[in-house]
This record gives sequence, C-alpha cells and structure tokens, in this order.
Amino acid sequence: GAVVSQHPSRVICKSGTSVKIECRSLDFQATTMFWYRQFPKKSLMLMATSNEGSKATYEQGVEKDKFLINHASLTLSTLTVTSAHPEDSSFYICSARAVRRTEAFFGQGTRLTVV
Amino acid sequence: GNSVTQMEGPVTLSEEAFLTINCTYTATGYPSLFWYVQYPGEGLQLLLKATKADDKGSNKGFEATYRKETTSFHLEKGSVQVSDSAVYFCALSDRGASYDKVIFGPGTSLSVIP
Repeated sequence: GAVVSQHPSRVICKSGTSVKIECRSLDFQATTMFWYRQFPKKSLMLMATSNEGSKATYEQGVEKDKFLINHASLTLSTLTVTSAHPEDSSFYICSARAVRRTEAFFGQGTRLTVV
Repeated sequence: GNSVTQMEGPVTLSEEAFLTINCTYTATGYPSLFWYVQYPGEGLQLLLKATKADDKGSNKGFEATYRKETTSFHLEKGSVQVSDSAVYFCALSDRGASYDKVIFGPGTSLSVIP
C-alpha cells in the first residue's frame, strides 16, 4: 500500500513552454501533498505544500506564479512549470501524506530538462 | 525553525562493514523522525521511522533510535551490502506545525565496495 505515482518520469521541453507534472496517490487519500525540487547531489528543497481544496502554501523564494500547484482532489496534485527556462531544469519530487499517518510517501520523481 | 543536520559524506565502506550515519535535529515541537533512502535515478523510499522518544525504527537490517536528550536519530547497520549503496536522508515531520512539513537533512551518499 501507500503508492504515489508521479508522471511523467522524464520530460524535455523548449524554453518558454509550460510543463505539467502529476502526482497521484494510488491507494490512499492524501489530504496533504508536497512538492520538492532536488538539485544534483543536493538535498530536497521544499517548494510548496498543498491541501486538497485550498491554495498551496509556497516556501520563501519560490515563485507561485511560475510554479502553479493545483490539488484538485484527495488523490491528485499537479505542478505546472510555466514559461520554463533552462535554470528550471531539475528533479522534481512529490510526496503525499495520508490522513492520520505521520510519514509521507514519495513519487519516483520527474526529471525536467529545458532546452 | 526546524532543521536537520547529518554527516554529508560521501561515505565509502567495504562490504560487511558497520555503518553509522549521524543525524541531529532541531525542532520546536515533538517531531516524528524518519530515514529515507534514494537509489540512483529514483525517488525516495521510506526506510524507517520513529514517532516518539526512545522509539527504535528498524527495517532491512537498519536501525535508528529516537534520542530526545541528544536530539539525535543516528542510522546504523551491522553489515552493509553493495546493494545498500544509495543516498540516505534524515528527516523530521513536526506534528505541531500547521502544514506538517517534512524537513530533510542534506543527505549522505554511501558507497559499498565488494
């Protein structure tokens, strides 16, 4: 149980376009989902926290107009990187926490390359 | 604010050696503590957890004990294998926070050589 699926696993896009990444909890309801960014050989940087049905809470320094997060249901959250630039290239990972659980479960990550 | 500190490595060990990765934390509330593992090119997997003081989490031969007095959660394994080569992240989740964030340490890269 507690599977989180993230799609796509890899995406290459042109500079200036937008990319949407999906995060789904397959066998549990996730009241809270998190989006992280991981730079090469670095730790995970929390970008934002989303709760189902409400606006996401962004960490300091993260542009909310650039990284749009939508948590439309208890099993789906999406991250849209708008007007992507090469510096947005990174590994993006989502995680989801189930009701009454302390641990978060992670998706397999999305490698975004902007050319 | 809450934070996690861990030895950054890289750590290189021979197969069957004893492993310790130190982790200490700072938290205002009563956090749950976790170790996550990331294999090359993959996402994170929960390795073990402890939710209160003196709890011991264990999985796949790895262990860590929640030490409130020293604010530590060191990861140990008695005999590592080549397949344990990965990056290990210590993390905490503060149940007192509004959004229950998971805060990660910088990660420790482990390489086990035959």
